[in-house]
Amino acid sequence: NAGVMQNPRHLVRRRGQEARLRCSPMKGHSHVYWYRQLPEEGLKFMVYLQKENIIDESGMPKERFSAEFPKEGPSILRIQQVVRGDSAAYFCASSPPSGMNEQFFGPGTRLTVL
Amino acid sequence: GEDVEQSLFLSVREGDSSVINCTYTDSSSTYLYWYKQEPGAGLQLLTYIFSNMDMKQDQRLTVLLNKKDKHLSLRIADTQTGDSAIYFCAERGIRGSTLGRLYFGRGTQLTVWP
Repeated sequence: NAGVMQNPRHLVRRRGQEARLRCSPMKGHSHVYWYRQLPEEGLKFMVYLQKENIIDESGMPKERFSAEFPKEGPSILRIQQVVRGDSAAYFCASSPPSGMNEQFFGPGTRLTVL
Repeated sequence: GEDVEQSLFLSVREGDSSVINCTYTDSSSTYLYWYKQEPGAGLQLLTYIFSNMDMKQDQRLTVLLNKKDKHLSLRIADTQTGDSAIYFCAERGIRGSTLGRLYFGRGTQLTVWP
């Protein structure tokens, strides 16, 4: 059973470009969470999604950031018009439909904005 | 559940026990977690405990919970150099739409000296 997959592992963008980060949850998991980790900080919650539904997006910046988890395919975190302050590690986690007691994390995408 | 505090650094000698401490804010029933992060990697779930328990043991790991003081600790017995990593304490949200999110501390950098 493969773990949570994220790609790309490293992403470099210039200011003003778009960044798309992908997350494939563990098999059988229908809950996906996105977190952001700034250098030397803990992880900060961004958004919680189930298939085709956004459950809690209160941790997402109001502008430029969006997330989706379609019926088919991976969850996507999209950052439009990136700025240097968006440089961080973005982690995805998933949990099974039976409960949210365990969240399993992917390896992360490290975004660098030049 | 937004203020999870940890000391930032801990150094121990190989073979000694390590104790990593954490305080959390929410006094209601919740789940509390310990994650391990190695350099450049994602978070590995080590163990978790429900707040009606005082202790949980899993091989070299012992979690102690003092609910009155909102204090959580992770003890690693016979610490090895491979245990060197950042250890994150996390508390699960308990209210409504925050049920899905984890609140993380800033992490404790454990360094094990040979």
